[in-house]
This record gives sequence, structure tokens and C-alpha cells, in this order.
Amino acid sequence: NAGVTQTPKFQVLKTGQSMTLQCAQDMNHEYMSWYRQDPGMGLRLIHYSVGAGITDQGEVPNGYNVSRSTTEDFPLRLLSAAPSQTSVYFCASSRGVRRTEAFFGQGTRLTVV
Amino acid sequence: GQQLNQSPQSMFIQEGEDVSMNCTSSSIFNTWLWYKQDPGEGPVLLIALYKAGELTSNGRLTAQFGITRKDSFLNISASIPSDVGIYFCAGQRSGNTPLVFGKGTRLSVIA
Repeated sequence: NAGVTQTPKFQVLKTGQSMTLQCAQDMNHEYMSWYRQDPGMGLRLIHYSVGAGITDQGEVPNGYNVSRSTTEDFPLRLLSAAPSQTSVYFCASSRGVRRTEAFFGQGTRLTVV
Repeated sequence: GQQLNQSPQSMFIQEGEDVSMNCTSSSIFNTWLWYKQDPGEGPVLLIALYKAGELTSNGRLTAQFGITRKDSFLNISASIPSDVGIYFCAGQRSGNTPLVFGKGTRLSVIA
């Protein structure tokens, strides 16, 4: 059972480039979310989805897009990378209506130069 | 912005000592969760609390859901080197809202 799988694990981008961070879960969870982790800032919510076809903004959504075409996948797109987006990105999923007990992927460490 | 205040920010303790950390909020949460993050890894769920006043244990870890629903506490007894990491609290206000995380407590254990 793979749980939550994120790819890539590491990425370096130039300012202005675009890319997609991949997230897939095999637990049939309805709820998925993206967080970014910066030193001293904890985990801040970027976007989340309560099910296929439904997404919503979190605390820090600017510069990011998401879509949820299937239950399993929840990709995060950086439209035009900026140095301020240098961070560690975590994808998480949880089951059902209560959306508690989130399971996290191992993270993607992104550097924008 | 984030609405959970987690303290202390960091702790240095001797192996074998007990550890206490807490998380407070100005608003009510109906679920409290505690996670641990090892270096280079994603957070892993330690304990989930669903009722005010609830006290739950997981091995040497014990967490409590504050009676006011505005705070939660995590205790670690007889710390060992593998307890090193960052501990996060997270809260959920209701069943249709996303989790809110504290900024974490970084624990270092001196052998």
C-alpha cells in the first residue's frame, strides 16, 4: 500500500518557469490538500479538494493552480515560478466528511533560482 | 493566517526526561491532532482527539483535548533519542473545514 506518493522529490527551477508537482493516493480518500512548509512557519494550506471536480483555496493560493479530475490525483501547478515559492511542498489526503487524520506524502523540495 | 499558537518553539532535553508542549487558539476546534515530522519526511499522525476533555495515549505519548476546546496538550514520557523531530498540532473547526496547523515544536534530545 503506497499511501500518498509525491513526485518529484527534488526540483530546481529558474524564475518564470512553470511546472507541475504530482500527488497520487491509493486509499480512495475524498479529501486532498497541498501545504507548503517554510522555516518557522509550520504548514500553510495552499489549495484543497473535497472530491473529484471540486477545489478551493487555502491560506496561500496565489501563484498556484490545482485541478481534481480523479479521486486519486491532485496535481499542483506553478504557473510562473518565483524565488518566494522556494519551499518544501506536502500533499495530504484524508477520508470522508470529517477530513481528519490526514496522511502526508514525503514532500517535494523546490528551489527557484 | 495561522490561528494555532504552539509552544515552546524548541526544546533541548536530556534523554529520560518528560516533555510537555501545548497548542492554544482563540477560537473553538472540534478536533485536535498531533503529528511528528522526522527530517526529510512528511508529518506522521501520532494522536487524534475528538471530544473535549478526552485523554488519549499512544505508547509513551499522551495528548489531551482541552475542556474549553481551545487548547490541546502533548506529553512524552521518558524521552529517547528517536523522539527528536518537529511536533505539530493541528485543529479542525468542523467537518467541512480544512486542518489548521501550528508552527511546530522542535525537540532535541541529548543523550
